Amino acid sequence: GEQVEQLPSILRVQEGSSASINCTYENSASNYFPWYKQEPGENPKLIIDIRSNMERKQTQGLIVLLDKKAKRFSLHITDTQPGDSAMYFCAASPLVTNAYKVIFGKGTHLHVLP
Amino acid sequence: NAGVIQTPRHKVTGKGQEATLWCEPISGHSAVFWYRQTIVQGLEFLTYFRNQAPIDDSGMPKERFSAQMPNQSHSTLKIQSTQPQDSAVYLCASSLEWGAREQYFGPGTRLTVL
Repeated sequence: GEQVEQLPSILRVQEGSSASINCTYENSASNYFPWYKQEPGENPKLIIDIRSNMERKQTQGLIVLLDKKAKRFSLHITDTQPGDSAMYFCAASPLVTNAYKVIFGKGTHLHVLP
Repeated sequence: NAGVIQTPRHKVTGKGQEATLWCEPISGHSAVFWYRQTIVQGLEFLTYFRNQAPIDDSGMPKERFSAQMPNQSHSTLKIQSTQPQDSAVYLCASSLEWGAREQYFGPGTRLTVL
């Protein structure tokens, strides 16, 4: 299968706390895992990604973790701010010639409450 | 760089009519993707082209949907005999074939079928 499951679908957190979004994938050939953020009325934009040769990646308050054995990856937003409120999509893709279709999860609507 | 251009931004059709959506990828990007976004299903993969050749259309509803890329500067998604359930935001994205594989999304076309 190719499905990517993403949970939760809605996440409400208090400003300053952390937020976590979890995804699982089926295709064992997947080796590239991007995360996209979509603000209201905007198109999705890449915020961070991780490849299968890494277990952890961090940039500007975002941490992604990858557990290849469990086929699970997650996004953690530390010290959330109102500007972090948006839809977040995880995705999985095989990075091989001719076959890099990206399968997205259904999204998580993050609300950061003041 | 104008980014990915999609036209029209909004389209309203009557049930049974045809709808053609246009996408102009970022110059130099060799991969073009089409997605359909709804609240219920999230971001659904439809099809993608690499160097104008169709690579994978496994997400396309078979009977009424078709996509073409006649040249490197534009792609079209055509929906024949539109139905209310086709109402969605249709997103086009492009990416470099190699390298980071980040997908750059266009603003989308919001299709409403009455």
